[in-house]
Amino acid sequence: DVKVTQSSRYLVKRTGEKVFLECVQDMDHENMFWYRQDPGLGLRLIYFSYDVKMKEKGDIPEGYSVSREKKERFSLILESASTNQTSMYLCASRSSESYTFGSGTRLTVV
Amino acid sequence: GENVEQHPSTLSVQEGDSAVIKCTYSDSASNYFPWYKQELGKRPQLIIDIRSNVGEKKDQRIAVTLNKTAKHFSLHITETQPEDSAVYFCAASRGGYQKVTFGIGTKLQVIP
Repeated sequence: DVKVTQSSRYLVKRTGEKVFLECVQDMDHENMFWYRQDPGLGLRLIYFSYDVKMKEKGDIPEGYSVSREKKERFSLILESASTNQTSMYLCASRSSESYTFGSGTRLTVV
Repeated sequence: GENVEQHPSTLSVQEGDSAVIKCTYSDSASNYFPWYKQELGKRPQLIIDIRSNVGEKKDQRIAVTLNKTAKHFSLHITETQPEDSAVYFCAASRGGYQKVTFGIGTKLQVIP
Protein backbone atom coordinates (compact mmCIF):
# COMPACT_ATOMS: atom_id res chain seq x y z
CA ASP A 1 0.00 0.00 0.00
CA VAL A 2 1.08 3.52 -0.73
CA LYS A 3 1.94 5.42 2.37
CA VAL A 4 1.67 9.15 2.68
CA THR A 5 3.17 10.31 5.93
CA GLN A 6 2.71 13.70 7.48
CA SER A 7 5.33 14.46 10.06
CA SER A 8 3.08 15.99 12.71
CA ARG A 9 -0.42 15.03 13.79
CA TYR A 10 -0.95 18.13 15.93
CA LEU A 11 0.91 21.41 15.87
CA VAL A 12 0.49 24.63 17.82
CA LYS A 13 2.27 27.73 16.55
CA ARG A 14 2.25 31.40 17.39
CA THR A 15 1.07 34.16 15.09
CA GLY A 16 3.90 35.35 12.87
CA GLU A 17 5.93 32.15 13.08
CA LYS A 18 7.21 30.42 9.99
CA VAL A 19 5.67 26.96 9.86
CA PHE A 20 6.75 23.93 7.88
CA LEU A 21 4.40 21.01 7.25
CA GLU A 22 6.13 17.98 5.83
CA CYS A 23 4.72 15.20 3.69
CA VAL A 24 6.52 12.12 2.41
CA GLN A 25 5.22 9.40 0.08
CA ASP A 26 6.93 6.11 -0.58
CA MET A 27 5.61 5.05 -4.00
CA ASP A 28 7.46 7.30 -6.42
CA HIS A 29 4.32 9.27 -7.27
CA GLU A 30 4.87 12.32 -9.40
CA ASN A 31 1.81 14.26 -8.29
CA MET A 32 1.48 15.62 -4.77
CA PHE A 33 -1.08 17.97 -3.25
CA TRP A 34 -1.79 20.05 -0.19
CA TYR A 35 -5.38 20.63 0.92
CA ARG A 36 -6.89 22.30 3.92
CA GLN A 37 -10.09 20.95 5.41
CA ASP A 38 -12.50 23.21 7.25
CA PRO A 39 -16.04 22.49 8.46
CA GLY A 40 -18.60 23.47 5.86
CA LEU A 41 -15.92 24.21 3.26
CA GLY A 42 -14.73 20.72 2.42
CA LEU A 43 -11.32 20.12 0.89
CA ARG A 44 -9.72 23.16 -0.68
CA LEU A 45 -6.61 22.88 -2.79
CA ILE A 46 -3.71 25.07 -1.67
CA TYR A 47 -0.85 23.98 -3.93
CA PHE A 48 0.11 20.99 -6.01
CA SER A 49 3.18 19.67 -7.76
CA TYR A 50 3.44 17.51 -10.86
CA ASP A 51 7.13 16.78 -10.46
CA VAL A 52 10.28 17.71 -8.62
CA LYS A 53 10.83 21.47 -8.44
CA MET A 54 7.48 22.08 -10.11
CA LYS A 55 4.62 23.74 -8.28
CA GLU A 56 1.24 25.14 -9.19
CA LYS A 57 -1.15 27.31 -7.24
CA GLY A 58 -4.41 25.78 -6.24
CA ASP A 59 -7.59 27.58 -5.27
CA ILE A 60 -6.37 29.22 -2.04
CA PRO A 61 -2.58 29.75 -2.25
CA GLU A 62 -2.46 33.10 -0.45
CA GLY A 63 -0.27 32.98 2.64
CA TYR A 64 1.32 29.69 1.65
CA SER A 65 4.26 28.44 -0.37
CA VAL A 66 5.60 24.98 -1.13
CA SER A 67 8.84 23.18 -1.79
CA ARG A 68 9.48 19.99 -3.76
CA GLU A 69 13.21 19.34 -3.82
CA LYS A 70 12.84 15.57 -3.89
CA LYS A 71 10.17 13.47 -5.53
CA GLU A 72 9.04 11.86 -2.30
CA ARG A 73 8.77 15.02 -0.22
CA PHE A 74 6.37 17.94 -0.55
CA SER A 75 6.51 20.67 2.06
CA LEU A 76 3.91 23.32 2.81
CA ILE A 77 5.24 26.56 4.24
CA LEU A 78 3.32 29.21 6.11
CA GLU A 79 5.62 32.22 5.84
CA SER A 80 3.97 34.10 8.70
CA ALA A 81 1.28 32.09 10.40
CA SER A 82 -2.03 33.78 11.13
CA THR A 83 -5.01 32.66 13.18
CA ASN A 84 -7.12 32.18 10.04
CA GLN A 85 -4.71 29.44 9.02
CA THR A 86 -5.84 27.29 11.91
CA SER A 87 -7.09 24.22 10.13
CA MET A 88 -6.62 20.55 9.27
CA TYR A 89 -4.02 20.16 6.51
CA LEU A 90 -4.08 17.09 4.31
CA CYS A 91 -1.34 15.98 1.97
CA ALA A 92 -2.08 13.61 -0.90
CA SER A 93 -0.24 11.91 -3.72
CA ARG A 94 -1.38 10.03 -6.79
CA SER A 95 -0.01 8.02 -9.67
CA SER A 96 -3.26 7.74 -11.60
CA GLU A 97 -6.65 9.21 -10.89
CA SER A 98 -7.17 8.18 -7.27
CA TYR A 99 -5.63 10.02 -4.36
CA THR A 100 -3.86 8.60 -1.34
CA PHE A 101 -4.15 10.96 1.57
CA GLY A 102 -2.00 11.40 4.62
CA SER A 103 -3.51 11.33 8.09
CA GLY A 104 -3.51 15.08 8.35
CA THR A 105 -1.90 17.75 10.51
CA ARG A 106 -4.17 19.75 12.75
CA LEU A 107 -2.54 23.16 13.01
CA THR A 108 -3.60 25.67 15.61
CA VAL A 109 -2.23 29.20 15.37
CA VAL A 110 -2.52 31.17 18.60
CA GLY B 1 -13.22 26.03 -13.54
CA GLU B 2 -15.17 23.10 -12.20
CA ASN B 3 -17.69 23.62 -9.41
CA VAL B 4 -19.03 20.66 -7.44
CA GLU B 5 -22.03 21.08 -5.19
CA GLN B 6 -22.92 18.40 -2.68
CA HIS B 7 -25.98 17.90 -0.50
CA PRO B 8 -27.12 17.33 2.09
CA SER B 9 -24.36 18.53 4.35
CA THR B 10 -25.58 16.25 7.14
CA LEU B 11 -27.69 13.12 7.00
CA SER B 12 -29.01 10.89 9.76
CA VAL B 13 -30.53 7.50 9.01
CA GLN B 14 -31.63 4.54 11.06
CA GLU B 15 -29.49 1.45 10.81
CA GLY B 16 -30.73 -0.69 7.95
CA ASP B 17 -32.19 2.21 6.00
CA SER B 18 -30.74 3.58 2.78
CA ALA B 19 -28.77 6.79 2.41
CA VAL B 20 -28.40 8.92 -0.70
CA ILE B 21 -25.93 11.73 -1.25
CA LYS B 22 -26.20 13.90 -4.34
CA CYS B 23 -23.68 16.00 -6.24
CA THR B 24 -23.83 18.25 -9.25
CA TYR B 25 -20.95 19.47 -11.38
CA SER B 26 -20.54 22.32 -13.83
CA ASP B 27 -17.82 21.27 -16.29
CA SER B 28 -19.32 19.22 -19.10
CA ALA B 29 -15.83 17.90 -19.89
CA SER B 30 -15.56 16.16 -16.51
CA ASN B 31 -15.56 12.41 -16.97
CA TYR B 32 -14.27 10.91 -13.73
CA PHE B 33 -16.26 11.00 -10.48
CA PRO B 34 -14.73 9.45 -7.35
CA TRP B 35 -16.22 9.21 -3.87
CA TYR B 36 -14.11 9.35 -0.73
CA LYS B 37 -15.04 8.30 2.79
CA GLN B 38 -13.43 9.90 5.82
CA GLU B 39 -14.06 8.25 9.15
CA LEU B 40 -13.63 10.34 12.27
CA GLY B 41 -9.98 11.16 12.82
CA LYS B 42 -8.84 9.27 9.75
CA ARG B 43 -7.73 10.06 6.23
CA PRO B 44 -10.15 10.20 3.29
CA GLN B 45 -10.12 6.97 1.30
CA LEU B 46 -11.49 6.18 -2.13
CA ILE B 47 -14.52 3.90 -1.88
CA ILE B 48 -15.91 3.90 -5.40
CA ASP B 49 -15.65 5.84 -8.65
CA ILE B 50 -17.49 6.09 -11.93
CA ARG B 51 -16.59 7.26 -15.39
CA SER B 52 -18.79 9.12 -17.82
CA ASN B 53 -19.20 6.15 -20.15
CA VAL B 54 -21.05 4.26 -17.40
CA GLY B 55 -24.42 5.13 -15.89
CA GLU B 56 -24.21 3.05 -12.73
CA LYS B 57 -21.65 1.10 -10.74
CA LYS B 58 -22.16 -1.12 -7.72
CA ASP B 59 -19.89 -2.56 -5.07
CA GLN B 60 -21.72 -4.59 -2.47
CA ARG B 61 -23.88 -2.14 -0.49
CA ILE B 62 -22.74 1.00 -2.27
CA ALA B 63 -23.63 2.22 -5.72
CA VAL B 64 -23.03 5.34 -7.75
CA THR B 65 -25.22 6.68 -10.53
CA LEU B 66 -24.34 9.30 -13.10
CA ASN B 67 -26.61 11.45 -15.24
CA LYS B 68 -24.38 13.23 -17.74
CA THR B 69 -27.19 15.21 -19.27
CA ALA B 70 -28.21 16.69 -15.95
CA LYS B 71 -24.61 16.79 -14.70
CA HIS B 72 -25.33 15.08 -11.45
CA PHE B 73 -24.18 11.94 -9.72
CA SER B 74 -25.21 10.22 -6.54
CA LEU B 75 -23.94 7.79 -3.93
CA HIS B 76 -26.38 5.21 -2.63
CA ILE B 77 -25.72 3.15 0.48
CA THR B 78 -28.16 0.36 1.24
CA GLU B 79 -28.68 -1.50 4.52
CA THR B 80 -26.65 1.09 6.38
CA GLN B 81 -24.53 0.02 9.33
CA PRO B 82 -22.94 2.05 12.14
CA GLU B 83 -19.54 1.71 10.46
CA ASP B 84 -20.92 3.66 7.51
CA SER B 85 -20.95 6.74 9.74
CA ALA B 86 -18.38 9.12 8.21
CA VAL B 87 -17.95 12.18 6.04
CA TYR B 88 -18.38 11.42 2.35
CA PHE B 89 -16.86 13.60 -0.37
CA CYS B 90 -17.80 13.54 -4.01
CA ALA B 91 -15.40 14.86 -6.62
CA ALA B 92 -15.12 15.49 -10.35
CA SER B 93 -12.30 15.78 -12.83
CA ARG B 94 -11.51 15.50 -16.51
CA GLY B 95 -9.67 12.31 -15.77
CA GLY B 96 -6.04 11.35 -16.02
CA TYR B 97 -3.83 13.82 -14.22
CA GLN B 98 -6.32 16.66 -14.38
CA LYS B 99 -7.28 18.63 -11.30
CA VAL B 100 -9.87 17.06 -9.01
CA THR B 101 -12.53 19.30 -7.48
CA PHE B 102 -14.19 18.10 -4.27
CA GLY B 103 -17.63 18.77 -2.87
CA ILE B 104 -17.95 20.14 0.66
CA GLY B 105 -18.72 16.76 2.17
CA THR B 106 -21.73 15.05 3.75
CA LYS B 107 -21.61 13.91 7.35
CA LEU B 108 -23.57 10.67 7.53
CA GLN B 109 -24.70 9.38 10.90
CA VAL B 110 -26.17 5.91 11.13
CA ILE B 111 -28.22 5.53 14.28
CA PRO B 112 -28.19 2.02 15.77
